[in-house]
Amino acid sequence: GAVVSQHPSRVICKSGTSVKIECRSLDFQATTMFWYRQFPKQSLMLMATSNEGSKATYEQGVEKDKFLINHASLTLSTLTVTSAHPEDSSFYICSAIHSAGSSYNEQFFGPGTRLTVL
Amino acid sequence: AQSVTQLGSHVSVSEGALVLLRCNYSSSVPPYLFWYVQYPNQGLQLLLKYTTGATLVKGINGFEAEFKKSETSFHLTKPSAHMSDAAEYFCAVSDSGGYQKVTFGTGTKLQVIP
Repeated sequence: GAVVSQHPSRVICKSGTSVKIECRSLDFQATTMFWYRQFPKQSLMLMATSNEGSKATYEQGVEKDKFLINHASLTLSTLTVTSAHPEDSSFYICSAIHSAGSSYNEQFFGPGTRLTVL
Repeated sequence: AQSVTQLGSHVSVSEGALVLLRCNYSSSVPPYLFWYVQYPNQGLQLLLKYTTGATLVKGINGFEAEFKKSETSFHLTKPSAHMSDAAEYFCAVSDSGGYQKVTFGTGTKLQVIP
């Protein structure tokens, strides 16, 4: 149990286009999800906190108009990279906080999405 | 504010040797501490976590870590390295409010030499 999926796993796009990444909690509900960004050989940097039914909270230095987050249901959050540029190329990882049961409040990570902007 | 320092971005051990990955933390409140493993192009998998209680925590794949408050450390160990242990390891800290907002260390890449 407690599986988080991301789609797509890899995406290559042209500069100036927008890309949507989905994060789903497959077998549990998550009122809170997080989006991280990981540059090569570096740690995960928290980009934003996504709360179901409300606006996302962005970390300092993250452009909210650039990285649109929507948490429309208890099992789905999406990250849209708008007008992508090569510097947005990165590994994006989401995580979901389990809302109930024995894993209450525990954070589970998705497998990541590799974005390459040409 | 909380932070994590991982000493050594790269660690090499021989197969069968002891694995020791160092982690020191800073937190203004009692911390929740975690070790995660990341294989290439994959997400993070939880190895073990410390919340409260017993300071020696056992995790998956034979790993364990000991919370030492006096040293503000949470070092990860495994008695005998296996080739499959080669990966990137991240130490992380969260405040006592829960597992939610987690701060990660910079990671340690473990190389296992046959």
